[in-house]
Amino acid sequence: EDKVVQSPLSLVVHEGDTVTLNCSYEVTNFRSLLWYKQEKKAPTFLFMLTSSGIEKKSGRLSSILDKKELFSILNITATQTGDSAIYLCAVDPLYGGSQGNLIFGKGTKLSVKP
Amino acid sequence: NAGVTQTPKFRILKIGQSMTLQCTQDMNHNYMYWYRQDPGMGLKLIYYSVGAGITDKGEVPNGYNVSRSTTEDFPLRLELAAPSQTSVYFCASSEATGWATEAFFGQGTRLTVV
Repeated sequence: EDKVVQSPLSLVVHEGDTVTLNCSYEVTNFRSLLWYKQEKKAPTFLFMLTSSGIEKKSGRLSSILDKKELFSILNITATQTGDSAIYLCAVDPLYGGSQGNLIFGKGTKLSVKP
Repeated sequence: NAGVTQTPKFRILKIGQSMTLQCTQDMNHNYMYWYRQDPGMGLKLIYYSVGAGITDKGEVPNGYNVSRSTTEDFPLRLELAAPSQTSVYFCASSEATGWATEAFFGQGTRLTVV
């Protein structure tokens, strides 16, 4: 059974800390891995990773994929209270030609204290 | 820039009642999805559609029905509401590309069944 496992499930840090969120997966016919940030409402897209070893960056956030070891990490440097959210990892598998049936992990709830 | 629009935002149902959650997107995306999100459980796929007239079951379809008569609209129907259907529901859409996809989410519908 395809699955996506995120760790830790929750994390409390102080402003200025650096955090690393983990996502491992067991999915046949992997297509891509996506990271989303969910605050109070809908998940918003952060990164899409398709190739191993290529880091994606956006400001203080960065992510990298290791397709050999089947995992990805999301790094947040110099955390701010506005980074408090649930971070979702999702894998897009290839099922007989259909696409977009993302398999989500349970998420990591990040709380950044002032 | 409407994107994906869901209505209503909140709803309380009594056991056995029925309702339809509306979802419409204006991005001309072929692929649309319904997810439910329970606390600490990530997102689970209920139904998805790869185009008008085509729908298929996801991971947790029991108790729900969908239809896709147009590209824009993908309503989710609950026929006999049960307390187990208390959840937050997200509609999403994605472009039919040949490779990796990014899903765009609506703002969610918080449903409580009492």
